[in-house]
Amino acid sequence: QVQLQESGPGLVKPSGTLSLTCAVSGGSISSSNWWSWVRQPPGKGLEWIGEIYHSGSTNYNPSLKSRVTISVDKSKNQFSLKLSSVTAADTAVYYCAMGDIVVVPAAISYYYMDVWGKGTTVTVSS
Amino acid sequence: SSELTQDPAVSVALGQTVRITCQGDSLRSYYASWYQQKPGQAPVLVIYGKNNRPSGIPDRFSGSSSGNTASLTITGAQAEDEADYYCNSRDSSGNHLRGVFGTGTKVTVL
Repeated sequence: QVQLQESGPGLVKPSGTLSLTCAVSGGSISSSNWWSWVRQPPGKGLEWIGEIYHSGSTNYNPSLKSRVTISVDKSKNQFSLKLSSVTAADTAVYYCAMGDIVVVPAAISYYYMDVWGKGTTVTVSS
Repeated sequence: SSELTQDPAVSVALGQTVRITCQGDSLRSYYASWYQQKPGQAPVLVIYGKNNRPSGIPDRFSGSSSGNTASLTITGAQAEDEADYYCNSRDSSGNHLRGVFGTGTKVTVL
């Protein structure tokens, strides 16, 4: 059973870069899954940040695209998030998740995230 | 629009049925998936695809979809179902391919 664990600094200074890693255990990051980052500011809803496939192909939230980089390290079975030029608005719980996509031609496709990490709190403050 | 809209809050009497809806154009291309989130916990997938439940999810949770609207129904709500519920889909419009979450619905079990 796949498990995910986020890690990284809990405090980042304004204008700095937020860096988080998600370790994958119980499965391979080279499987046919998309590996995602999701965040949740305090008291607010979920926001999709972006995703990566083991090939290195990425998709990002257009509202964050200019500041986000997601990468994969197959040798360590993990993937990472970097968010640059952070402000207080980037303070949130950050989750990593494993996604599945089933594209059905000429019909409705499937997309879901069935494994989540426990989340890690990142505060942007000086 | 690539957004997904949900009612902010609903309440249901213990043992009764509640339906949560999610609206958005992306639902015409991708089925909604639904997540339950309790305070201080990570989201948990409860429904995906046409109407599929992951292992361990009670069968009182069900999903349906029509056009640009998806629904999550809890039949015989229990006290432990009190939580925030989010729908999620995939937007393939324009030049972007991205995931998108609904605004969330807080379910209160009375």
